[in-house]
Amino acid sequence: AQSVSQHNHHVILSEAASLELGCNYSYGGTVNLFWYVQYPGQHLQLLLKYFSGDPLVKGIKGFEAEFIKSKFSFNLRKPSVQWSDTAEYFCAVFQNYGGSQGNLIFGKGTKLSVKP
Amino acid sequence: DSGVTQTPKHLITATGQRVTLRCSPRSGDLSVYWYQQSLDQGLQFLIQYYNGEERAKGNILERFSAQQFPDLHSELNLSSLELGDSALYFCASSGDRGSYEQYFGPGTRLTVT
Repeated sequence: AQSVSQHNHHVILSEAASLELGCNYSYGGTVNLFWYVQYPGQHLQLLLKYFSGDPLVKGIKGFEAEFIKSKFSFNLRKPSVQWSDTAEYFCAVFQNYGGSQGNLIFGKGTKLSVKP
Repeated sequence: DSGVTQTPKHLITATGQRVTLRCSPRSGDLSVYWYQQSLDQGLQFLIQYYNGEERAKGNILERFSAQQFPDLHSELNLSSLELGDSALYFCASSGDRGSYEQYFGPGTRLTVT
């Protein structure tokens, strides 16, 4: 079974600082990777996704992620964070059983606190 | 707003009881997924239905069951509740085959006392 590791449990940054959240996955074959964000008290929202092609993917709100196959990594980045980015961030890999079968495997999440 | 709706928003019940959580997927989505989010276990996949049929099972307890109805809404039934079942239960939906994006509902917060 696939697994996802997020290295940082809680990251605290000041506004305008740069952000990089680590994510590693275990599966060596074709992967579909996602970053979701959960703002306080809200549901998960899709930030960005990687299926194939350009390993540098851009998402909403200025976030981007780089897929590095050799490192089994899919790190999330943002050049300059804002207080409104305070949230929990989840990396996920789609575990595909074939056809319409499958599910997301999530990492434990990283809480980001941005100080104004 | 993802287009996925869940009811109720909050549920408080006692140990040993049974509850039903409801989810309506986005219009046109055939797949429904249920996830449990707790502090100690994180986000865990429970079960997937596709067009009324069970398609994948994760860490779902035998006390839990789900179904998807002809109108594609889904229900998650939790019985013989224990304190440890207190969690956020999310429903997600996705569309055509090969579309792996899942859209999440607002969740149901279950508190077992």
